Amino acid sequence: EIVMTQSPATLSVSPGDTATLSCRASQSVGSNLAWYQQKPGQPPRLLIYGASTRATDIPARISGSGSGTEFTLTISGLQSEDFAVYYCQQYNDWPRTFGQGTKVEIQ
Amino acid sequence: QVQLVESGGGLVKPGGSLRLSCAASGFTFSDSYMHWIRQSPGKGLEWVSFISTRGSTIYYADSVKGRFTISRDNAKNSLYLQMNSLRADDTAVYYCARDRYQLPLWGQGTLVTVSS
Repeated sequence: EIVMTQSPATLSVSPGDTATLSCRASQSVGSNLAWYQQKPGQPPRLLIYGASTRATDIPARISGSGSGTEFTLTISGLQSEDFAVYYCQQYNDWPRTFGQGTKVEIQ
Repeated sequence: QVQLVESGGGLVKPGGSLRLSCAASGFTFSDSYMHWIRQSPGKGLEWVSFISTRGSTIYYADSVKGRFTISRDNAKNSLYLQMNSLRADDTAVYYCARDRYQLPLWGQGTLVTVSS
């Protein structure tokens, strides 16, 4: 099983700042990586797939990068609606696996 | 409206069974690969199971293999998860989600609580 490790567990940032979230895979997943945002009481929302392709209606201030085992989600100009939990997920192999999540909170 | 709606959750005793359903609408369900994913209270996401468009390919997480069965009825635009021999650590919100790779569409989830 591919283990996905996210860091940090919690990120305290101020509105308008840039948040940088990391996701590491225990073995190469190529570019078969997605990022999701989840707010309390809601299902996850797809943000990024193919490591760097924004999903429908996702603003340009949200971007993804990386390949192989190291991936980054960057959220620029943080807005109030960006404070949430973010998960990475690999879909290169079975079983599909998620990282444990990074909570982005208001500093 | 493109949506997935789960149902069938509830309170069940350890060792009991439950069948979850996921009703799809607004898209061609029979062309869609489907998953079940769960989330324990206050915890992260755990992928549970996958089924291909015609049900010919199925995968399970090791944690549910032999206890859970995924199935689908394309004529009814519905996905199912039969859960047997339930344990306390199966307590979670269960989501159905669409697509083979990334998951752009999720339902709102149904809560399964396993407790005596």
